[in-house]
Amino acid sequence: GNSVTQMEGPVTLSEEAFLTINCTYTATGYPSLFWYVQYPGEGLQLLLKATKADDKGSNKGFEATYRKETTSFHLEKGSVQVSDSAVYFCALSRAGGTSYGKLTFGQGTILTVHP
Amino acid sequence: DVKVTQSSRYLVKRTGEKVFLECVQDMDHENMFWYRQDPGLGLRLIYFSYDVKMKEKGDIPEGYSVSREKKERFSLILESASTNQTSMYLCASNPWTGIFTEAFFGQGTRLTVV
Repeated sequence: GNSVTQMEGPVTLSEEAFLTINCTYTATGYPSLFWYVQYPGEGLQLLLKATKADDKGSNKGFEATYRKETTSFHLEKGSVQVSDSAVYFCALSRAGGTSYGKLTFGQGTILTVHP
Repeated sequence: DVKVTQSSRYLVKRTGEKVFLECVQDMDHENMFWYRQDPGLGLRLIYFSYDVKMKEKGDIPEGYSVSREKKERFSLILESASTNQTSMYLCASNPWTGIFTEAFFGQGTRLTVV
């Protein structure tokens, strides 16, 4: 079946530091890949997505590249801010009509950014 | 803005009670989902529905049931709540057309079973 593995957290950084959160996946076919973010007390929001190999998703300074050869979708940001403190989830959705957009999530990574 | 609204942010229930978690979306989406969020486990799919009165089990359906009598409303039911169902529950919807667009999530219901 499908699975997503994220790096263990929590991650604590100083403001303006470089961020990488690793994500690898197992899936048949060509899934779509996503990063969701959950700010304190809120639901999940889509941060970025990529739907085919070598696609790069980007939003709010975050980016991730769909690497089929390494089955990875690592999240990066060059300079984090205190407001980026949140829980980040990597997820995939299998292609095809019977998928209905069901998502398989990684464990989540808690990011805390200090001033 | 798409809105997915869950009826309660926090609930405390007793073991053995029947519990209803309600979710309403206002964008006429076909598909609705219930996920459970636990630390270190991420989100896991409990049930989903792709049309009114249609439902399918997800990865962890045991101890849960669902109801979708109207397109905009999807209810999660715990027939007899147990302490191991203490968790955060998230509802989501998407306008699935065969090509993934985006899933929209509610704010979550934190359920404590005592």
